Amino acid sequence: QVQLAASGGGVVQPGRSLRLSCAASGFTFSSSAMHWVRQAPGKGLEWVTLMSYDGGNEHYADSVKGRFTISRDNSKNTLYLQMNSLRAEDTAVYYCARDYDPSGSGRLDYWGQGTLVTVSS
Amino acid sequence: EIVLTQSPATLSLSPGERATLSCRASQSVNNFLAWYQQKPGQAPRLLIYDTSNRATGIPARFSGSGSGTDFTLTISSLEPEDFAVYYCQQRSNWPALTFGGGTKVEIK
Repeated sequence: QVQLAASGGGVVQPGRSLRLSCAASGFTFSSSAMHWVRQAPGKGLEWVTLMSYDGGNEHYADSVKGRFTISRDNSKNTLYLQMNSLRAEDTAVYYCARDYDPSGSGRLDYWGQGTLVTVSS
Repeated sequence: EIVLTQSPATLSLSPGERATLSCRASQSVNNFLAWYQQKPGQAPRLLIYDTSNRATGIPARFSGSGSGTDFTLTISSLEPEDFAVYYCQQRSNWPALTFGGGTKVEIK
């Protein structure tokens, strides 16, 4: 079955960096577009970024553009999120999610357990 | 940005009752509207995509309807495992996906 496991979260000071990983299994990762979606404590869901199946296309929410970078290693079935210049408002649980369409369509059909990022001094 | 407004914020019902959740968009999303269920401490789960299509493994008691800017998720008869938070999401304004604020369905 489809499994997505996010890791790499933790407590980080404002202005510092953190890299999240999402290990995928149970499906053909190299044929799947992938997303990161976050959820601040007690709040709703916010889409963060997307990468197409081959890494050829990527898109970002305005709130993270220029600070976050999505990447993937299809040989390792792993998705990454490099987060730089972190702010308090980036504090959230970060989920990775698979897109139904290889190029990305916004239909997020499987989600992994998230990893908590806390930005605090 | 397309804003999605969900109502009510909280729905208090008993098992066996019918639940009707609403999602209104600030502009037309055509039929590109999905619903997700989230239980405490868990990731969201896709229930309905493109207004009315049930995702894989989703029971028939869940149904979606609507068009343009007004959409509804109906749970025909609430089971104990259905008490959760439900989010709508649009993909019409691709790639700028947005979610509604959520409706919590709680046990009365």
